[in-house]
Amino acid sequence: GAVVSQHPSRVICKSGTSVKIECRSLDFQATTMFWYRQFPKQSLMLMATSNEGSKATYEQGVEKDKFLINHASLTLSTLTVTSAHPEDSSFYICSARSPGARRETQYFGPGTRLLVL
Amino acid sequence: QQQVKQSPQSLIVQKGGISIINCAYENTAFDYFPWYQQFPGKGPALLIAIRPDVSEKKEGRFTISFNKSAKQFSLHIMDSQPGDSATYFCAASPDAQKLVFGQGTRLTINP
Repeated sequence: GAVVSQHPSRVICKSGTSVKIECRSLDFQATTMFWYRQFPKQSLMLMATSNEGSKATYEQGVEKDKFLINHASLTLSTLTVTSAHPEDSSFYICSARSPGARRETQYFGPGTRLLVL
Repeated sequence: QQQVKQSPQSLIVQKGGISIINCAYENTAFDYFPWYQQFPGKGPALLIAIRPDVSEKKEGRFTISFNKSAKQFSLHIMDSQPGDSATYFCAASPDAQKLVFGQGTRLTINP
């Protein structure tokens, strides 16, 4: 089956630093990847959609200069949280869509827990 | 109009019982309705999904019932097991691109 990995699984950083999270599709080429944020005991909120080779499309209310998304290859997308603050602490989850699958099928990664001190 | 409302927020069911989680939506443009299962500290995993041209879909112990006129859909878990204890999310997609998630239901199956 389609496998999506994320690295790191957990990261703790100091306020003001930047953190990069990687999302990889391991056994398929993902033309589209999605980034979600999930606060404790809450639902997943879509942050942005990234298509390989083009700029990401951000959802309303998501600061594109704070959450930098790069989708440089068909198997890798990165989310960089710049100048992180404690309110950015959350569970970040990516998903990927395979061009061979049904258009609406998304395969989710295991998530990255970010804690900003 | 983009919201998907999910209930209940939490649910406790005895082993062997039927777990029922409900979702409602407003946007008639939604045309894909998946259910996801999420364990603590993990990403969501697709359980089962339905499109609005059918009223029911069954896969093993999991069944989706879909009522297009009422704009509601539900997940039924038959013969619920302790291993089914997890958080369940319904979702809907308006354009086969984005997923709009419900608020989630924390299901606990008592042995």
